[in-house]
Amino acid sequence: AQSVSQHNHHVILSEAASLELGCNYSYGGTVNLFWYVQYPGQHLQLLLKYFSGDPLVKGIKGFEAEFIKSKFSFNLRKPSVQWSDTAEYFCAVNAPGTGGFKTIFGAGTRLFVKA
Amino acid sequence: SAVISQKPSRDICQRGTSLTIQCQVDSQVTMMFWYRQQPGQSLTLIATANQGSEATYESGFVIDKFPISRPNLTFSTLTVSNMSPEDSSIYLCSVRLAGGYNEQFFGPGTRLTVL
Repeated sequence: AQSVSQHNHHVILSEAASLELGCNYSYGGTVNLFWYVQYPGQHLQLLLKYFSGDPLVKGIKGFEAEFIKSKFSFNLRKPSVQWSDTAEYFCAVNAPGTGGFKTIFGAGTRLFVKA
Repeated sequence: SAVISQKPSRDICQRGTSLTIQCQVDSQVTMMFWYRQQPGQSLTLIATANQGSEATYESGFVIDKFPISRPNLTFSTLTVSNMSPEDSSIYLCSVRLAGGYNEQFFGPGTRLTVL
């Protein structure tokens, strides 16, 4: 079965520090990849997505992610974080499964940015 | 994107009772899903809500416990039956939009506490 692994469960950074959150998935075929964000008290929002083409994907709020097929990875990056980036981040993969394509989520990474 | 509303937003229920959660979307959707997010954990797919037919359940979830209806393209209900404290969780409705890619949009969730 497909799975998604996020290596960092909790990350604490100071403002202006650089961010990289790791994500690996297990499916070997064609996949769609996503990062979602959940700000405190808010619902899940799509941060960015990869379907095909340029493996470096730009998202909202200065986030980007790089798809490396050979490593089954889709790491999220931001050069300089802000206090407002404090949130939980979920990596997700959409891949074939029983009954059709399903979106599987990683365990999530809680990011706290110190002002 | 889409505006997804869920009712109720939260509830506190007694053991052994049932609660029905409603999900309404303001756009044409192709697929609707129900997820559970237990405290401190990631999202787990409960089932895919199929219009006019029985939902497709994931391993570990059964229709008797989580009956789902989807009478039309933009509305679905999830019932949590014969509740126990282990059912305390956030229940999320999610959709894929007609004409979109495979990204999913999420409702605000229903926070359920079972005493």
